[in-house]
Order: sequence, then C-alpha cells, then structure tokens
Amino acid sequence: GAVVSQHPSRVICKSGTSVKIECRSLDFQATTMFWYRQFPKQSLMLMATSNEGSKATYEQGVEKDKFLINHASLTLSTLTVTSAHPEDSSFYICSARDQVRGPPFFGQGTRLTVV
Amino acid sequence: QKEVEQDPGPLSVPEGAIVSLNCTYSNSAFQYFMWYRQYSRKGPELLMYTYSSGNKEDGRFTAQVDKSSKYISLFIRDSQPSDSATYLCAMSAEDTGRRALTFGSGTRLQVQP
Repeated sequence: GAVVSQHPSRVICKSGTSVKIECRSLDFQATTMFWYRQFPKQSLMLMATSNEGSKATYEQGVEKDKFLINHASLTLSTLTVTSAHPEDSSFYICSARDQVRGPPFFGQGTRLTVV
Repeated sequence: QKEVEQDPGPLSVPEGAIVSLNCTYSNSAFQYFMWYRQYSRKGPELLMYTYSSGNKEDGRFTAQVDKSSKYISLFIRDSQPSDSATYLCAMSAEDTGRRALTFGSGTRLQVQP
C-alpha cells in the first residue's frame, strides 16, 4: 500500500504555545488529505478535509482558527494547533488519497500532550 | 442513530479460530467499503477495500459486502495473537462529492495464544 508519513509521533508542549504536525505522502500525489482526532477507545473523528491549493473544509464544531490546516503541495499537509490547551491533548491522525479513486492511507499518528 | 454501527467488543477468541466482524449502515449512497486494523497508539492500516456488493479475499482475510442488507463483514481465518487489535469498518459515498470516510466505532479483537 501507499505510504503516508506523519511527524512528529509524539510531542509535549506548554499551554499557550503552538504545535505543527506534518503529513507527507511518500510515494503518491495526494490531492485530498484528511485530519482526524481520536480519543482513547473511541473511533476517529474527522476534523477537516483539505484539497491541494485550496482552503480546508472543517467539520461542524471544529475551530478553524485554532486548528490551522495548510495543504500547499500534493505531498504535504500540515496541521497547526494554535494556543494549545490541555483539552487539546489527543491523538491526531492524517490520511491521504491519490488522484485516482482509491482508499485513504493513514499516517502513524501524533500523540499531543499539552501541559 | 449512527450512520455506521459496529459492535465495540471486546471479542476474545482462541488462536486459530475464524473471526467474524460486522458493520451495518443506513446510508444507501455508500459505495466503497474498507476495513482497517489499528494497533494501540498507531494509525489505521488498510486491510481490505471493496466496491459495491460482493466478496474479496486476500490471504487470511475475506471481506463481504451486501448492499441490499446494508451489511458488511470481515472474516479472519486462522487468527493469530498478532491479529489482536481494533478493527474499523469505513465507507464512503464518492458520487455525492464527499471523499471523507464514515467510520464505525471499531471492534476490539483479542486472540488468545
């Protein structure tokens, strides 16, 4: 299957700071990338969908000014958690789909802890 | 009612057993069906990808889709302790223009050695 690389795998930050998470498609061009949040023992919750070169579409209830998404190229999307607070601590996962119809492939996930 | 229903388990089976995992859904627009395996603190890993109704086999895994019943299944033959993970069903309705997946809640599987 296709490879999606997510970095960092774990990050601890202080409350009030911003954190950037990168998601790269290594062997295919991803026209669409998705960002999810997952709480312990729960399924994935879609936060936003991003298409290369255009603004992300956020799901209802997700603060777009807090979770900044940039999809500047066909192989890279970033999620920036701005002014992080302890309640933002979670497992964030990206996924990417290529130009031809096919299943999304997921990154390894990023465990964010805000202290 | 959720669009996709999946029994959360946990499902515990002995090594070598055949495992059956299932999901039901309500949206008849779903056309693409996937099964992902997720180990703790890792991203989901694609196991099976099918379009519309029918069966698909890949090694020890068989996926079945019955669109008339809005029911999908994943069978795991000769289960191994390494199969212990959470299994997520997912589906999408591409023709509606929404490319994001709708997930089930996941079934935790434990294969006992």
